Amino acid sequence: QQQVKQSPQSLIVQKGGISIINCAYENTAFDYFPWYQQFPGKGPALLIAIRPDVSEKKEGRFTISFNKSAKQFSLHIMDSQPGDSATYFCAASRGSTLGRLYFGRGTQLTVWP
Amino acid sequence: GAGVSQSPSNKVTEKGKDVELRCDPISGHTALYWYRQRLGQGLEFLIYFQGNSAPDKSGLPSDRFSAERTGESVSTLTIQRTQQEDSAVYLCASSLAGVGGRTEAFFGQGTRLTVV
Repeated sequence: QQQVKQSPQSLIVQKGGISIINCAYENTAFDYFPWYQQFPGKGPALLIAIRPDVSEKKEGRFTISFNKSAKQFSLHIMDSQPGDSATYFCAASRGSTLGRLYFGRGTQLTVWP
Repeated sequence: GAGVSQSPSNKVTEKGKDVELRCDPISGHTALYWYRQRLGQGLEFLIYFQGNSAPDKSGLPSDRFSAERTGESVSTLTIQRTQQEDSAVYLCASSLAGVGGRTEAFFGQGTRLTVV
């Protein structure tokens, strides 16, 4: 059973546009929601993370929006650049039990120049 | 090195052979994870080591898969009698505490395993 569901599977955005990737989860015990960015041939790298006590977190062009009641969170990439072309994974875990990360299936983002 | 190191970076093996994949975590990181990533797929959890606690082996797909970790250092993932469906990139990650402890998990570049 997929603990974290991610959509879309692929996304094509024009340079300067906004990229939006959505994730949903079922386990209300999850309390840590990171996003990872992966370039071809590389391991995933932490991009930005949020806890459920806030509804939004922004770091530069990257913003996580969190809706606790809907059990959904999303990544927004403003002013998307060709260098943002990568695979993005959302994830969730239960921080209080030092539990493992559950990953979404990933979104392949392509930003056209 | 400063990051998580995995070796070999690429491994081609014949069906039925055993393989060992190695992970050197970042020094001082108590938690270590193994994930599997099939082509175009997400990250499939395999096993989790946290300090001296019993490892969480719930993600290992079959008894052909096993992993060991010596203290808080090197880990080895062993796949016995490899099958073609084992072909994937095997990723190792480490963090200061369990990943859920809100400390960043650092991934290695992975070992690309091809079973022919």
